[in-house]
Amino acid sequence: QSVLTQPPSVSAAPGQRVTISCSGSRSNIGISYVSWYQQLPGTAPKLLIYDNNKRPSGIPDRFSGSKSGTSATLVITGLQTGDEADYYCAAWENNLTALFGGGTKLAVL
Amino acid sequence: QVQLQESGPGLVKPSQTLSLTCTVSGGSISSGGYYWSWIRQHPGKGLEWIGYISYSGSTYYNPSLKSRLSISIDTSKNKFFLKVTSVTAADTAVYYCARGPGNGDGFDPWGHGTLVTVSS
Repeated sequence: QSVLTQPPSVSAAPGQRVTISCSGSRSNIGISYVSWYQQLPGTAPKLLIYDNNKRPSGIPDRFSGSKSGTSATLVITGLQTGDEADYYCAAWENNLTALFGGGTKLAVL
Repeated sequence: QVQLQESGPGLVKPSQTLSLTCTVSGGSISSGGYYWSWIRQHPGKGLEWIGYISYSGSTYYNPSLKSRLSISIDTSKNKFFLKVTSVTAADTAVYYCARGPGNGDGFDPWGHGTLVTVSS
């Protein structure tokens, strides 16, 4: 069981908005930046969000992140079928050890 | 742009040592102040951070694996390495190398990953 808790699955229709939560504690999310990754089937994870809410070059603004206290949220708007993937949050435990959430499978119905 | 590629045996016998190489191309492993990480994913499971190394050789390991781990770097060859000793079936996973943390707190980019199976 992961220290960072994510819902196992979420779903929404194309064009709609979905949120994925990531819950931690004071020793991880509470004191570190959060990053988010998208893993399409059979591929390596790809960075979507870093430093809580920054997007790397090439990531569309449909993806946004936020952090409040010991929780973080990934929001995806204008859902597309190509967004079907596993999504992982990550943070640092006591700023030393990287932690990943258990992952959330997004279904675009 | 920077690209990473893992390489190494796909099959390792129990109790032996797993050895992987990550080759960095498109940029110098010594520049930018980045750390270089290993991350693994057990079949059908989530991601587990293994550890990282700086260009100068400073390392930090996942405490749950630390006693069996060694990460090293060869800046002249733009490569870094992972060794896991005394492997068991529980070490069967896809192993990824990735850049980070560094300029921002994230892992980017990632290699394609390599499946390592521990079996006799």
